[in-house]
Amino acid sequence: EAEVAQSPRYKITEKSQAVAFWCDPISGHATLYWYRQILGQGPELLVQFQDESVVDDSQLPKDRFSAERLKGVDSTLKIQPAELGDSAMYLCASSPPVSQETQYFGPGTRLLVL
Amino acid sequence: AQSVTQLDSQVPVFEEAPVELRCNYSSSVSVYLFWYVQYPNQGLQLLLKYLSGSTLVKGINGFEAEFNKSQTSFHLRKPSVHISDTAEYFCAVSEVSWGKFQFGAGTQVVVTP
Repeated sequence: EAEVAQSPRYKITEKSQAVAFWCDPISGHATLYWYRQILGQGPELLVQFQDESVVDDSQLPKDRFSAERLKGVDSTLKIQPAELGDSAMYLCASSPPVSQETQYFGPGTRLLVL
Repeated sequence: AQSVTQLDSQVPVFEEAPVELRCNYSSSVSVYLFWYVQYPNQGLQLLLKYLSGSTLVKGINGFEAEFNKSQTSFHLRKPSVHISDTAEYFCAVSEVSWGKFQFGAGTQVVVTP
């Protein structure tokens, strides 16, 4: 069964450093999402792509976060500079064209900022 | 805008006992409803979803949920839990026309022998 791939699984960094997370959605899934999940809470949408275009980035802290999906396939989420409050799980999800209402999640990247 | 409330933050349950996780939502338009499970340090796995049709939805691992439009609820049930069901469970809603997910805060299920 096809899965959403994410790397790295774990990342420890110091505040003010730059970090990047990578996501490869299920093949053929045009819609890609990045979520942030703070410990003890549900995921919150950061950015949504339809192919290579950003559909919704209203909750993305644009002063430090950026996301791209240049060829409409895999995607990178970057934080620069990282802050202590960015410690969280970063989840990537994708949706197929025929049933866009359903999202399939990757294993996530656990970020710890020291 | 829609919102989701999971009424219990933690549910302790004995092995082989039934469990019910409560989820209420609010929205002024038609919605899709979902339950996801998250095991420690893993992503979310889809348990089941309600899109339309029968209000009783069956999912994986013996779980089922019932959509109640008048009470705006989508409670998750399992008649007999296993130790392996220990995990966090998230209810989510998306408006049919918009598709943006809103997740609840989660319910931690702890199954003990």
